Amino acid sequence: DGGITQSPKYLFRKEGQNVTLSCEQNLNHDAMYWYRQDPGQGLRLIYYSQIVNDFQKGDIAEGYSVSREKKESFPLTVTSAQKNPTAFYLCASLERDNEKLFFGSGTQLSVL
Amino acid sequence: GDSVTQMEGPVTLSEEAFLTINCTYTATGYPSLFWYVQYPGEGLQLLLKATKADDKGSNKGFEATYRKETTSFHLEKGSVQVSDSAVYFCALREYNFNKFYFGSGTKLNVKP
Repeated sequence: DGGITQSPKYLFRKEGQNVTLSCEQNLNHDAMYWYRQDPGQGLRLIYYSQIVNDFQKGDIAEGYSVSREKKESFPLTVTSAQKNPTAFYLCASLERDNEKLFFGSGTQLSVL
Repeated sequence: GDSVTQMEGPVTLSEEAFLTINCTYTATGYPSLFWYVQYPGEGLQLLLKATKADDKGSNKGFEATYRKETTSFHLEKGSVQVSDSAVYFCALREYNFNKFYFGSGTKLNVKP
């Protein structure tokens, strides 16, 4: 089945630690996205990538980094500079012709 | 920048009641507008969309009309079911860009 796979489902970060969230898609989509979901605040865009080897900052990029070395993969690193990382993180890819976003099942990140 | 504002929740209705969830937007140009739904324990999925003024998107008994004069895209359903209980997100795609903005989400609870 085609889709987006995020892993892990739950992740815990210690103080000063960088952690990486995985996002893989086999839908052959060019554009991919990372959103952060906090209660009562909806989805906020962290980073997005229109094509391999290219990415742009979203509205809340500080404390995060990404790479896009392969079309299928768009990992997100939450660095120690992100002071409030506890949130639910969602990855998505875009089916351009239909303007339809496909979402993964998310990663819940918590701070120990 | 572009933004989406939707009504606060939660909204609690009895089965077969009429549903309206308000959504307004701020955008330059001519954005596409969307409603996404997140059922309990599932990922976000596209419910309906409209790409230009006066277009009506519809799916599963839900409807929304793109109103440019009032910058609105309100979601309606004539008779809700218990199975419609979910969180509903209004969203827009920035004109000429593949950047998507989401509202804060509205939780709908439908009682039998």
